[in-house]
Amino acid sequence: AQKVTQAQTEISVVEKEDVTLDCVYETRDTTYYLFWYKQPPSGELVFLIRRNSFDEQNEISGRYSWNFQKSTSSFNFTITASQVVDSAVYFCALSASRGDTGRRALTFGSGTRLQVQP
Amino acid sequence: DTGVSQDPRHKITKRGQNVTFRCDPISEHNRLYWYRQTLGQGPEFLTYFQNEAQLEKSRLLSDRFSAERPKGSFSTLEIQRTEQGDSAMYLCASSLSRGPTEAFFGQGTRLTVV
Repeated sequence: AQKVTQAQTEISVVEKEDVTLDCVYETRDTTYYLFWYKQPPSGELVFLIRRNSFDEQNEISGRYSWNFQKSTSSFNFTITASQVVDSAVYFCALSASRGDTGRRALTFGSGTRLQVQP
Repeated sequence: DTGVSQDPRHKITKRGQNVTFRCDPISEHNRLYWYRQTLGQGPEFLTYFQNEAQLEKSRLLSDRFSAERPKGSFSTLEIQRTEQGDSAMYLCASSLSRGPTEAFFGQGTRLTVV
C-alpha cells in the first residue's frame, strides 16, 4: 500500500519568511515518483515538480526548492522569501507503476494550507 | 489546447437524482483519471482509462458510479441515485503514457447533494 503523510495541516507566515512543507511517504515499490501540487483558491491543482526514486539530487527553481531523502522517505518543499501569492494548499503525492496497467495514479497527502500574511 | 476542461463547474442536485459530469482531456493525452476530493482532504483516486479502456477502478467507486471514455477522447462520470455523502469536488486529470509524466488537472466539478 502507498501512503503520503503531510503532518502540517496549516502554516501561517509573514511575507518574506522562508517556509518548509514536510512530506513523508510509504511505498513498497522500488520505482516510484514523487510530486508536489499547488491548489490555489480557484481549485485547480497546479503541477510544481516531479522526482523519480533514483534521483536524489535536490532541485531549485526560483524561490522553490525540494529536498528528497530516500533514507528518511521524505520529500520536503521549501519556499524562500514567501509572497502573498504563495497562499494555497500544497499537496505532496506519490505514484508507482502497478502491474500491467501501469496506471501511475497519484496517492495524495491531506495537504498543507499555507497562509502568507502581508 | 488550453488544458483539461470539466463541465459543469458546479452542480446542485437533490438526493436520489442522477448526475453526469464531463471531462475533456488535453488532446494528445491518452491517460485519463478521475479523482474525488472532499473538504480538507487530498484527492482520492476513483478510476483510470488508457485510451478507451477502463483499466482500474478504486473500491471507492460504488455500483452507483460509472465512467466511460468512448473513442478514447472525452470521459463522463455518472452518479446514480445520489446521496449526501457524494458531495465533493470531482477532479479529472490527463497525462501521456510515455514514461513518467505528470498529470494535468482540470478545475473540477463541485457537486452538492441536498
